[in-house]
Amino acid sequence: DIVLTQSPATLSLSPGERATLSCRASQFINTYLAWYQQKPGQPPRLLIYEASNRATGVPARFSGSGSGTDFTLTISSLEPEDFAIYYCQQRSSWWTFGQGTKVDMK
Amino acid sequence: EVQLVESGGGLGQPGRSLRLSCIASGFTFEDYAMHWVRQSPAKGLEWVASIAGNSGSIAYADSVKGRFTISRDNANNSLALQMASLRPDDSALYYCAKAQSLRWNAHFGSWGQGILVTVSS
Repeated sequence: DIVLTQSPATLSLSPGERATLSCRASQFINTYLAWYQQKPGQPPRLLIYEASNRATGVPARFSGSGSGTDFTLTISSLEPEDFAIYYCQQRSSWWTFGQGTKVDMK
Repeated sequence: EVQLVESGGGLGQPGRSLRLSCIASGFTFEDYAMHWVRQSPAKGLEWVASIAGNSGSIAYADSVKGRFTISRDNANNSLALQMASLRPDDSALYYCAKAQSLRWNAHFGSWGQGILVTVSS
């Protein structure tokens, strides 16, 4: 199985700051990586697919990059509604998820 | 607007069975692969099973293979997960999810609100 390792586990930031989240795959996955946002009591929401493509309706402050084994989700300027848990997911070999990064308010 | 509504969860006894259903609307159901994903505090998000639009491809996570069966009824826009030989570690919130594109192994573009399954005697 392909293991996805996300870092950091928690990111404490203030509104307006830049958030940088990492996801590392245990083996090569090309650009077959997605990012999801989950808020309490809600299902995950697809933000980024194929490493760098924003899903429909996702604000431009969210961007994804990377290929191979190392990937990054960047939120350029945090809005209050962005404080949530973020998961990465690979689709290179079935589907697996990372353990999540919680972005909370400092 | 895509809508996915799960039902059928609840309390199940170890070794017994439960059946989950998901009713879909807002898209051409038969065109898209569909998935079950579960979430628990212990394991986080875990892919469970997938089925192609024409049911020609089906896949299961090793943790449920041989115990769970995924199926779909395109005439009624419905997805099902028959869960047998339940174990306590099957306890989770189960989500129905739609593929993000027509590709079989696409990411998951839309999710239902989830249905809780608790396995306990």
